[in-house]
Amino acid sequence: QQQVKQSPQSLIVQKGGISIINCAYENTAFDYFPWYQQFPGKGPALLIAIRPDVSEKKEGRFTISFNKSAKQFSLHIMDSQPGDSATYFCAASVQGAQKLVFGQGTRLTINP
Amino acid sequence: KAGVTQTPRYLIKTRGQQVTLSCSPISGHRSVSWYQQTPGQGLQFLFEYFSETQRNKGNFPGRFSGRQFSNSRSEMNVSTLELGDSALYLCASSLVASWGELFFGEGSRLTVL
Repeated sequence: QQQVKQSPQSLIVQKGGISIINCAYENTAFDYFPWYQQFPGKGPALLIAIRPDVSEKKEGRFTISFNKSAKQFSLHIMDSQPGDSATYFCAASVQGAQKLVFGQGTRLTINP
Repeated sequence: KAGVTQTPRYLIKTRGQQVTLSCSPISGHRSVSWYQQTPGQGLQFLFEYFSETQRNKGNFPGRFSGRQFSNSRSEMNVSTLELGDSALYLCASSLVASWGELFFGEGSRLTVL
């Protein structure tokens, strides 16, 4: 019940295309859903986050869509750029806790 | 503002030894968490400290321990190292009121031979 399942494991997108990464969870106590971006040799960095009272959140080219009934959320990267090539992790946590449960990660490659 | 600093960045140990990793959080951050990252298991929560007290603990054996000092700096220790402990150990700090908004360091890469 503590798992967060992420797909796909790897994704190749052409420059200017839309990258889509999906996550699903079981634990209905989760109420905070961040996405982290990690470049090689670096620690993960917070990209964007959403709470379940909102169905969508957009920050620049990055959008989170959240479906509470389906217990799924996804990251959309519009106009994908080579600089977006990185590993992306979805995560979930329970309010007030600093304990994040991470998905397995998606290695995104944007071809120029 | 300086980020999260972890030392050492790389280290090699042999089975049976013990290791101590250090983490200095962002100034003003009082919560420090530790995560293990491996290719097979991904990112897994180890433990979280706030005001020198462990508030949460992940599913790791007792060989993994940690502590936090009064200046919020933290250390984690792994005793009786096993080959499977080879991993990137990431420290993250946060403000208490920010759920999930963790700021990660670059990690300490441990290789156990």
